Amino acid sequence: DIQMTQSPSSLSASVGDRVTITCRASQDINNYLNWYQQKPGKAPELLIYDASNLQTGVPSRFSGSGSGTDFTFTISSLQPEDIATYYCQQYDNLFPMYTFGQGTKLEIK
Amino acid sequence: EVQLVQSGAEVKKPGESLKISCKGSGYSFTSYWIGWVRQMPGKGLEWMGIIFPGDSDTRYSPSLQGQVTISVDKSSSTAYLQWDSLKASDTAMYYCARRTSSWFDYWGQGTLVTVSP
Repeated sequence: DIQMTQSPSSLSASVGDRVTITCRASQDINNYLNWYQQKPGKAPELLIYDASNLQTGVPSRFSGSGSGTDFTFTISSLQPEDIATYYCQQYDNLFPMYTFGQGTKLEIK
Repeated sequence: EVQLVQSGAEVKKPGESLKISCKGSGYSFTSYWIGWVRQMPGKGLEWMGIIFPGDSDTRYSPSLQGQVTISVDKSSSTAYLQWDSLKASDTAMYYCARRTSSWFDYWGQGTLVTVSP
């Protein structure tokens, strides 16, 4: 099984800050890496697919990068409405199998 | 507009059976895989399994194989997740989601399942 390690598990930042979350895979997953936002009491929402593509309708302050085993999710200027838990998700096409990272809970300082 | 609408919250006793649903609309239901994702109280997201409504091809997470059954009714554009004998540890929020390529682009609102004596 491919293991995903997401860090940090929690993060406190101020409005306007640049925020970065990382996800590391235990083996090469090409660019099969997606990012989701889950606000309290709500279903997850897709933000970034295939490592760096912005889902339609998602604000441009969100971005993703990386390939192989190391991936980064960035919020360029944190807004109050960005308070949520963020998850990475990888896809293993050999099985298929979908694995989520442990999540990063983002709070406003 | 693509929508996945899930059935309402359930409260069950251990040992009871349950079938929850996810109805798709606004797109060709038989052309996209539908996945199920579990979120236990205060925990993260866990992929359970996935079904292709076009031919009912189904895959399960190895950790959950045999514990749940995923099915589909093409005529009503509805996917199902069922348990034959619930346990307290099945208490969780369950989401269905449409798969496009390797990601889940549309999600249902979630169904809360509570299993308590």
